[in-house]
This record gives sequence, C-alpha cells and structure tokens, in this order.
Amino acid sequence: QKEVEQDPGPLSVPEGAIVSLNCTYSNSAFQYFMWYRQYSRKGPELLMYTYSSGNKEDGRFTAQVDKSSKYISLFIRDSQPSDSATYLCAMSGQGNQGGKLIFGQGTELSVKP
Amino acid sequence: DTEVTQTPKHLVMGMTNKKSLKCEQHMGHRAMYWYKQKAKKPPELMFVYSYEKLSINESVPSRFSPECPNSSLLNLHLHALQPEDSALYLCASSQDGGGGLRETQYFGPGTRLLVL
Repeated sequence: QKEVEQDPGPLSVPEGAIVSLNCTYSNSAFQYFMWYRQYSRKGPELLMYTYSSGNKEDGRFTAQVDKSSKYISLFIRDSQPSDSATYLCAMSGQGNQGGKLIFGQGTELSVKP
Repeated sequence: DTEVTQTPKHLVMGMTNKKSLKCEQHMGHRAMYWYKQKAKKPPELMFVYSYEKLSINESVPSRFSPECPNSSLLNLHLHALQPEDSALYLCASSQDGGGGLRETQYFGPGTRLLVL
C-alpha cells in the first residue's frame, strides 16, 4: 500500500463547477500537507500548505485536512479553464527524514469552457 | 520572490556525453533538492542538500553526480546516461529541510532531458 493515495483521474468538469480533489494517507506521523499545481511541461507550483486539521481558504481554493480520517481535500470554486492542470498532494512529518516530501500520484483536471 | 531558476530548459545528449544541469535560488534557502519526473508520474526525489552538505541520496546511480558549490547554487553532473534517464529534472529549495513547514518546497521550471 502506498503511503499516499490519490486518484489520478482524469477529471473533466464544466467551467464554473466546484472541483473536489482528494488524498488519503496511512502514516499518522504526517503533519504538514501541501497542494501543488503543475501545468503541462512546467514545474510544480505551490498552491496551499497547512499543518492542522480544519480548513484553509485562499481565494477560490480551500484546503481541508481531517487527520482523524487521514484524508485531505482541495476544493476549487468557480473553476476556470486556466485551472486545467495536474494537482499533486504532498505531505511530510516533523523530523521525517528532513527534506523528504511524499507525493500523491497527481490528479489530472480538465475544465471545459 | 519565490523563484528557482534552472538551465538549460531543454537538453539532448548522447549516451557518451557529459553535461551539467544548473539550478539557482535567491530566497536565502539552505536546502536544495533534485527530482526526476517521468510523464504522468509525481516527482521522484534524487538528492537533498542541507547547508551545502548532501543529506539524502535516494540510491541514485553514480552516472548522476550532484554538487552544491554554495547555498544558492546546485548542479547535477550527468555522464554515460541511458535512454531511460530521459525525463524532466526538477530542482527545488526550502528553508532548511529541517522538518515541518520549513520543508515547504519551491520548484523550478525543470530541464527536459532527452538521452539518445
């Protein structure tokens, strides 16, 4: 079993839809959670990071962490064609072989106009 | 400024060539990383430098040789590569790699490498 599971998609939605992207994890030592967006043929871009259970909002993006269920989500409101990209969740734990992020497989999202 | 720069953007090399990839950051970060990414896969960690010392080597073949000349620069020297080494090579940096949010990593745009 992988430490981090993420549905690779592809996920296709119409413009304006609410998108929900999810990851589950098995290692209870993970405390820090990130979402990266990666456009085709580009490097990953940090979107959100959080270290506690609950919600964190930034514009149209909301990151949600449920440590009791070992489940994290990224919601995108009013999705736009420019949101079409691969979304990677990543996580780490305090003192977890310092510097090592564990990535999910990435979910490929397509937002159709 | 959260910019990590990488050169070259693209590189084509033969199996007998020697080449180098370069990475630079000016965010004052003390940890720098090399990743390899194949199509439709997540980045795969290769090396971590923390305070200019190699702290993690993920059992990478010796044909890949990292170098950290100073806290802002990271090189990856390539020699006798195989076609299966063709991939996007990503550099990243973080505050110090010491754990927690200090590991929040910022990625460069990558070098797309093709080995013939």
